[in-house]
Amino acid sequence: ETGVTQSPTHLIKTRGQQVTLRCSSQSGHNTVSWYQQALGQGPQFIFQYYREEENGRGNFPPRFSGLQFPNYSSELNVNALELDDSALYLCASSDPTSAETQYFGPGTRLLVL
Amino acid sequence: AQRVTQPEKLLSVFKGAPVELKCNYSYSGSPELFWYVQYSRQRLQLLLRHISRESIKGFTADLNKGETSFHLKKPFAQEEDSAMYYCALSTLKAAGNKLTFGGGTRVLVKP
Repeated sequence: ETGVTQSPTHLIKTRGQQVTLRCSSQSGHNTVSWYQQALGQGPQFIFQYYREEENGRGNFPPRFSGLQFPNYSSELNVNALELDDSALYLCASSDPTSAETQYFGPGTRLLVL
Repeated sequence: AQRVTQPEKLLSVFKGAPVELKCNYSYSGSPELFWYVQYSRQRLQLLLRHISRESIKGFTADLNKGETSFHLKKPFAQEEDSAMYYCALSTLKAAGNKLTFGGGTRVLVKP
């Protein structure tokens, strides 16, 4: 069984640029959630994708968008990057038989200069 | 809106001593509570969930709806328990379930 993977591991961007982060869900999981974890804080829910559609969104602006593909992998896109977007971005996938338990990837650390 | 509060940023205890991590939540519905743990250089992973009512690695947590708390306890801390611990609340609705995390508590178990 393959766990949740994310790419890239680290990324440096400048303010105003756009970024795409990628996530492969754990085998058999059809739900992917994205979280932002700023330094010294707990993860914050960005949005969730279920069967290729957005299925819930946190308090993040529209410049945060996502996609889920037929193989249930997912992308997080952030446009017009701001300095405060610097954070660890976590992806989590869920088992459809146990929707409450989410399995996390290692994260992508984004630094916006 | 739901909220999870972990009042302690850092807990430092000696090996063999009891440890209790506090977690308080606010949520108008029926909560599903979790504890997640992140060991050094590892990913965030589920430690336990209240609905399972089980002990994992010697840790237990009881949901107290009257006090809106879900404190994590272990009677005898071990050095390998040193990690970052997050309390989380899940809201399962038609719009999809999501986890609301507290700010985390770093536990340091000294030899």
